Amino acid sequence: DAGITQSPRHKVTETGTPVTLRCHQTENHRYMYWYRQDPGHGLRLIHYSYGVKDTDKGEVSDGYSVSRSKTEDFLLTLESATSSQTSVYFCATYGTSGGSTDTQYFGPGTRLTVL
Amino acid sequence: AQSVTQPDIHITVSEGASLELRCNYSYGATPYLFWYVQSPGQGLQLLLKYFSGDTLVQGIKGFEAEFKRSQSSFNLRKPSVHWSDAAEYFCAVALSGYSTLTFGKGTMLLVSP
Repeated sequence: DAGITQSPRHKVTETGTPVTLRCHQTENHRYMYWYRQDPGHGLRLIHYSYGVKDTDKGEVSDGYSVSRSKTEDFLLTLESATSSQTSVYFCATYGTSGGSTDTQYFGPGTRLTVL
Repeated sequence: AQSVTQPDIHITVSEGASLELRCNYSYGATPYLFWYVQSPGQGLQLLLKYFSGDTLVQGIKGFEAEFKRSQSSFNLRKPSVHWSDAAEYFCAVALSGYSTLTFGKGTMLLVSP
């Protein structure tokens, strides 16, 4: 599964607090993505990165920022969490893994609850 | 902008019966097409993908999908469903392999004994 880990796996926080989610990969993949999953919406893209320090916005980027200072780490920050950001967050990378052809691989997800 | 429609929110299939999950897309060109499966509390696992060539694509776990350009569809099929196939299935499209994915809203598959 492309060696993708996400931390934390679960987090409960309060409205107005900053939150940072981390995605770490061991495959040296260039492309990385953050999606959120909500019931009835499937997965929606928040931000993505096409290289170190190169990022761009996705469909639902408001209230989120990202940073990528090295290939293996892609951070998602909620500057001031709101209840509407309660969701499951998935990180993904694009590349080759374990002999499989290039595709997007997903991490295990982080369940975030904003009270 | 591209969009993906999975018209069935839930589907119940008897174990051993055949399965077809529908996916329609709206896109200006032939996109890259994917099916992912998600078991409860888990991440997404790629079942199969279509980039070009043979329009019938074989995937893991005995799944296949057929790309039909005239119908803008990429339906997922399995000849005989097992109880372990119960999960949520997502169809997705992209402009290229590394492009961002646009997902359908998912179809929840329930398998009855």
